[in-house]
Amino acid sequence: GDSVTQMEGPVTLSEEAFLTINCTYTATGYPSLFWYVQYPGEGLQLLLKATKADDKGSNKGFEATYRKETTSFHLEKGSVQVSDSAVYFCALSDQGTNAGKSTFGDGTTLTVKP
Amino acid sequence: NAGVTQTPKFQVLKTGQSMTLQCAQDMNHEYMSWYRQDPGMGLRLIHYSVGAGITDQGEVPNGYNVSRSTTEDFPLRLLSAAPSQTSVYFCASSPRTGGASGAEKLFFGSGTQLSVL
Repeated sequence: GDSVTQMEGPVTLSEEAFLTINCTYTATGYPSLFWYVQYPGEGLQLLLKATKADDKGSNKGFEATYRKETTSFHLEKGSVQVSDSAVYFCALSDQGTNAGKSTFGDGTTLTVKP
Repeated sequence: NAGVTQTPKFQVLKTGQSMTLQCAQDMNHEYMSWYRQDPGMGLRLIHYSVGAGITDQGEVPNGYNVSRSTTEDFPLRLLSAAPSQTSVYFCASSPRTGGASGAEKLFFGSGTQLSVL
């Protein structure tokens, strides 16, 4: 079945540092890939999305590129802020027989210190 | 626009009690799903539905029942609560997949924190 593997956390960075959170996936079809963010006490919300190979999703300074050859969707940000502290989830959703289901990674907790 | 509404936000049960977690969405989404979130384990799919009258099991369905009598509502029932069901539960919805534009994002409720003693 489908699976998503995220780099283990937690991750602690100083403000303005560079962020990378690795994500790789296994899927039988042609999934769409997502990064969701969860702030303390809240539900998940979409951060960015990519639907096909070589697509780059971007939002709020975060970027991730859909790499089919390496089955990866790594999240990056050039300069993190304290307000970026949250839990980040990589996920995939498939069409076809798996429509309506999403598969999530275990989440990576990011703490940014001033 | 309310989006996805979950109730209650917090609940404490005793082992063996039953309860229903409510989920409603007002976006006319076909797909709805329930996840549980446990520390270090991400979100795991419990049950999902691709439309009214259609439900299916996810990764961890044991101990939970669902039904989907309307497009808007997707309640999750715990028939006999166990301590292993202590978790945070999220309901989510999404529109039917968009063909060439790929699968759609999930819209999440704010969660229900459940403790089973």
